[in-house]
Amino acid sequence: SQQGEEDPQALSIQEGENATMNCSYKTSINNLQWYRQNSGRGLVHLILIRSNEREKHSGRLRVTLDTSKKSSSLLITASRAADTASYFCATDDYTGFQKLVFGTGTRLLVSP
Amino acid sequence: NAGVTQTPKFRVLKTGQSMTLLCAQDMNHEYMYWYRQDPGMGLRLIHYSVGEGTTAKGEVPDGYNVSRLKKQNFLLGLESAAPSQTSVYFCASTSPERARGYGYTFGSGTRLTVV
Repeated sequence: SQQGEEDPQALSIQEGENATMNCSYKTSINNLQWYRQNSGRGLVHLILIRSNEREKHSGRLRVTLDTSKKSSSLLITASRAADTASYFCATDDYTGFQKLVFGTGTRLLVSP
Repeated sequence: NAGVTQTPKFRVLKTGQSMTLLCAQDMNHEYMYWYRQDPGMGLRLIHYSVGEGTTAKGEVPDGYNVSRLKKQNFLLGLESAAPSQTSVYFCASTSPERARGYGYTFGSGTRLTVV
């Protein structure tokens, strides 16, 4: 079963705008990760946030985590056409072994 | 440093045929995984391995078998392919240390069509 559900399923913005994607999950987690997938390619790890962290930054990426609501958000600031991709959240519930469960993804289209 | 390499990249099978997908990593990672990706479903875990000679079932293991005879290789087998196994298959690897901070490294995928 899918652990994470992303919202929205698709997002279309103009270059320079910010993009926000949300992820909700069901069980307690050890950490939550975000991945990017360009069309026809494999997934690339973007950022990891641990369960005891509330916010994390990496370049133009900002991730928040609210464990009480079992939700996370990914903010991409000043979007570029090259950010066009699908974005997935994945949770590691650490049941003795790191094994990620992925959400269904958000398709982001950034137009020039 | 090639990372995670999957072969083949594309394959068309007839129902009932068998095949093996190969995943090779050169990062000395202990953990390896096979996922399948279907439209609207995200990635689902098929099988995984915590080290050489060990394998375990994931969320959707039926119809697949795996082997990890060497640390760097993780093979996914389809003994009798079915149209429901049409999907894109991804291999991933990580180590206990990387998993806590840097996540998985993915291959570029194998697109399999079963007709």
